Amino acid sequence: DAEITQSPRHKITETGRQVTLACHQTWNHNNMFWYRQDLGHGLRLIHYSYGVQDTNKGEVSDGYSVSRSNTEDLPLTLESAASSQTSVYFCASSESTRGHEQYFGPGTRLTVT
Amino acid sequence: DQQVKQNSPSLSVQEGRISILNCDYTNSMFDYFLWYKKYPAEGPTFLISISSIKDKNEDGRFTVFLNKSAKHLSLHIVPSQPGDSAVYFCAALKAGDYKLSFGAGTTVTVRA
Repeated sequence: DAEITQSPRHKITETGRQVTLACHQTWNHNNMFWYRQDLGHGLRLIHYSYGVQDTNKGEVSDGYSVSRSNTEDLPLTLESAASSQTSVYFCASSESTRGHEQYFGPGTRLTVT
Repeated sequence: DQQVKQNSPSLSVQEGRISILNCDYTNSMFDYFLWYKKYPAEGPTFLISISSIKDKNEDGRFTVFLNKSAKHLSLHIVPSQPGDSAVYFCAALKAGDYKLSFGAGTTVTVRA
């Protein structure tokens, strides 16, 4: 069955370290998204991509970057982790033809100490 | 500025009764609306959606109502079941776009 996976599921890192969170989908979806979930804020969009080599900033993109070298993967990099980036991170994907429904991964809980 | 608002952070309802979750939006460019359900330690899953050309969409126990003039939508769950205990997110989409704007979520607890 097609799916979307995230790794690691849990990560503890220190302030200032570079961290990369992986996202892999097997639906062959063009659209991929990264969100963070924080209490009182719901899901906020960090970065998104509508195809290979395409990346765009979302509403909370400062301190994060993404790259899209193939259809299946959209890794999220925290260049220099900060305590404010402690959060739960969700990756999602959707079809271009349908577009509306996004399918989410299980999430990565990141703690920056 | 949050364009999709869920002003009730939590809702407690007795099993078998109706759950009503509310959502307001400010951007008149939104033309498609979705509800997602999220259990702890899992990703959100799509529940039900509605296009702006409709005012109601029903799927089993779940019905979404849209009032465009009031920029308001609601999700009705009838009857509520213990498995419905979860966080529910309202989300909206602009025409021709694929990015979702989410509300803060409402935690529903169904009491036995």
